[in-house]
Amino acid sequence: NAGVTQTPKFRVLKTGQSMTLLCAQDMNHEYMYWYRQDPGMGLRLIHYSVGEGTTAKGEVPDGYNVSRLKKQNFLLGLESAAPSQTSVYFCASSYSAQGGTQYFGPGTRLLVL
Amino acid sequence: KNQVEQSPQSLIILEGKNCTLQCNYTVSPFSNLRWYKQDTGRGPVSLTIMTFSENTKSNGRYTATLDADTKQSSLHITASQLSDSASYICVVSEGGTGFQKLVFGTGTRLLVSP
Repeated sequence: NAGVTQTPKFRVLKTGQSMTLLCAQDMNHEYMYWYRQDPGMGLRLIHYSVGEGTTAKGEVPDGYNVSRLKKQNFLLGLESAAPSQTSVYFCASSYSAQGGTQYFGPGTRLLVL
Repeated sequence: KNQVEQSPQSLIILEGKNCTLQCNYTVSPFSNLRWYKQDTGRGPVSLTIMTFSENTKSNGRYTATLDADTKQSSLHITASQLSDSASYICVVSEGGTGFQKLVFGTGTRLLVSP
């Protein structure tokens, strides 16, 4: 039981490049989330999904797209990376959104030059 | 604006000592309050979740309290260990039906010194 895993762990991009971050969970959770964590700020929700095939915008969705084609996977895409997207990205999953514990992945550190 | 504020920002204590971290929130409507521990370079891990009706909840050496009237919570760590060195994040879940948004504090960075 690996919990929540994220790929890659670290990536350096040049401005304008694209990339996809992969999140996988093996707990059969319906809900999945993408957050970013920046120094001096609390985690902020980028996008979330309440089930396979569904996605919704969070607090800071601009510049990101997501897909949830399979229940266990949640992909975060950056079509044209900007330096402002330099951050640590965390994926999380939960059984329910109504007070359920969110289980976080180990994070992906992204540097955009 | 819904906010979660934590104090202190950072704290250094000697191994074996106790400490208390504070969390004040303005989130309304309120659903529940969570404390997470985040080790350096890792994702947050849940310590406790408390609903409106719960005043205290323990998880080993960690004890969280909640005063919903004053909108304050605290996390007390007893007999600290070196492995307690981490950031502790207070998170409040907005109430209401449907998807519940989480409001994250910026965390208290704790260093336990030998």
